[in-house]
Amino acid sequence: AQSVTQPDIHITVSEGASLELRCNYSYGATPYLFWYVQSPGQGLQLLLKYFSGDTLVQGIKGFEAEFKRSQSSFNLRKPSVHWSDAAEYFCAVGSGTYKYIFGTGTRLKVLA
Amino acid sequence: DAGVIQSPRHEVTEMGQEVTLRCKPISGHNSLFWYRQTMMRGLELLIYFNNNVPIDDSGMPEDRFSAKMPNASFSTLKIQPSEPRDSAVYFCASSLAGGPEGGYTFGSGTRLTVV
Repeated sequence: AQSVTQPDIHITVSEGASLELRCNYSYGATPYLFWYVQSPGQGLQLLLKYFSGDTLVQGIKGFEAEFKRSQSSFNLRKPSVHWSDAAEYFCAVGSGTYKYIFGTGTRLKVLA
Repeated sequence: DAGVIQSPRHEVTEMGQEVTLRCKPISGHNSLFWYRQTMMRGLELLIYFNNNVPIDDSGMPEDRFSAKMPNASFSTLKIQPSEPRDSAVYFCASSLAGGPEGGYTFGSGTRLTVV
């Protein structure tokens, strides 16, 4: 079955610390992978996407993600977190059609 | 670019009433999506339009829900009659390609509360 798992519901980090949010997927075809961020009361904003090529992709706001086919993972990273990064983060997978499968989200809290 | 515009931002209505949510996609985008977000079920795709034509409405929960896209710049999602279990945040999103390659642009959502 096709699925996306974000194993961490909540993560708390100190400002300036590094961040890694986990995403694992199960998908029969070659996946298109995405990370979105949702600030309170807002819609989802696309951070980055992976279709093919270099498995390390750069996104907006200093985020990057690495696609690891052998581990079926697409983890999101940021070397130094800012207080404004506090939000909920969603991993999603698609296959070249319009249908995404979204993960359940990871809520990030940043300590000053 | 004003982005995807949804109205109203908040809606509180009584059970049994009709509710209409509105969406204006980004100009030039040819695909429009309605999503529902709840704590229990996360993000669910309700319906997908391409060039104003409904392509997939398999996610629409039941006949009480209907969606229209009379032109490229406007779509509505209607619930009639509304029920408390319809309480959720409803998002509209648009894209150019109709597929995920370009990613979607989401609106800020309508928070619906049915009492």
